Amino acid sequence: GIQVEQSPPDLILQEGANSTLRCNFSDSVNNLQWFHQNPWGQLINLFYIPSGTKQNGRLSATTVATERYSLLYISSSQTTDSGVYFCAVRGWNFNKFYFGSGTKLNVKP
Amino acid sequence: EAGVAQSPRYKIIEKRQSVAFWCNPISGHATLYWYQQILGQGPKLLIQFQNNGVVDDSQLPKDRFSAERLKGVDSTLKIQPAKLEDSAVYLCASSLDSETNYGYTFGSGTRLTVV
Repeated sequence: GIQVEQSPPDLILQEGANSTLRCNFSDSVNNLQWFHQNPWGQLINLFYIPSGTKQNGRLSATTVATERYSLLYISSSQTTDSGVYFCAVRGWNFNKFYFGSGTKLNVKP
Repeated sequence: EAGVAQSPRYKIIEKRQSVAFWCNPISGHATLYWYQQILGQGPKLLIQFQNNGVVDDSQLPKDRFSAERLKGVDSTLKIQPAKLEDSAVYLCASSLDSETNYGYTFGSGTRLTVV
């Protein structure tokens, strides 16, 4: 399978601060998605981004496929951003997603 | 558009008992996934269906876990007999197809506690 490493494992921010989450993966991928799991356990799809850059409001993501990493940027963080952020990848030779262990974000008011 | 429906929301059973979870995917989604998420870890794929056929079940403990997707719509995951280490959240997800994973959507999950 594909190894997916996320960093940092834990992050505490003051409301309004910016942050960058990183996802490294061990093989070429044809699909990469970022998910947010809220404190109630619901996983929400944030971005489909196997390469390039996308933005959605205060969130943006960049994947550099040739260097096997992806970054998720959160600007002007809000308490509702708290939860766990997962990166999931699918490789060319695999038919399933591999998830990282996540970055647990706590935004304090 | 209705989301992925799962039931029950919570379940507590004793070890060696059996349990079943139900999932109804988004209408029109051909691909259905069951994941196991242990506390503090990312989801791990147990089984993936394309319509009513199994695409991948390499990480399904087949001695105790079984899953079916009759008629290619809703699906049931069963554990028999349960062990303490099966305590986890069981997530169902669906997507339009398995190639693009377009519209990949998770249900709210079933939290299983085995005592």
